[in-house]
Amino acid sequence: AQKVTQAQTEISVVEKEDVTLDCVYETRDTTYYLFWYKQPPSGELVFLIRRNSFDEQNEISGRYSWNFQKSTSSFNFTITASQVVDSAVYFCALSEAQFGNEKLTFGTGTRLTIIP
Amino acid sequence: DTEVTQTPKHLVMGMTNKKSLKCEQHMGHRAMYWYKQKAKKPPELMFVYSYEKLSINESVPSRFSPECPNSSLLNLHLHALQPEDSALYLCASSHGGYSYEQYFGPGTRLTVT
Repeated sequence: AQKVTQAQTEISVVEKEDVTLDCVYETRDTTYYLFWYKQPPSGELVFLIRRNSFDEQNEISGRYSWNFQKSTSSFNFTITASQVVDSAVYFCALSEAQFGNEKLTFGTGTRLTIIP
Repeated sequence: DTEVTQTPKHLVMGMTNKKSLKCEQHMGHRAMYWYKQKAKKPPELMFVYSYEKLSINESVPSRFSPECPNSSLLNLHLHALQPEDSALYLCASSHGGYSYEQYFGPGTRLTVT
């Protein structure tokens, strides 16, 4: 069965510090997709990134970067030079390549607080 | 445009009331989803519609009744709810299948009194 673990329940950092959010997943499939979502206090989940299991290239988007390592089943997310607007709950999620599968398995989330 | 809209934003209802939550997307997505999220928990999938047909029901109690009138609209009809049903209800849409990201609406915060 698939599982996503986000061991960090809450993280607080001072503004402008870098912070890494960890995500470890379990799956028996060789084909799967990984996602990160941001949920600010307003409640809406905002899609950040999608990565398939065959693409291990790291990705950078502005201050955000993602490190995907199949060898350790991890898909970590780093925010560089954090800002107060980054304060939110971040969810890592996994979907397996099964016919008709529409389900996302979410981790429990990491609450990130950026202290001004 | 990656917008999913939901109405109402907040809803308070008694246990004997009947109400409906509405969701709309205009991204041409063929899959639409209802999630329930309790405080400090991840979203829990309730229902999935694919091409306007119910494809997944995660053993949700019958007091929740989904409806997909067309490819852009998704409703969730509520009847005889319990206080433990109080939660944030999120709607999402996607191109469908396991490989596409889901786009979420802002949610309806439901309180059952």
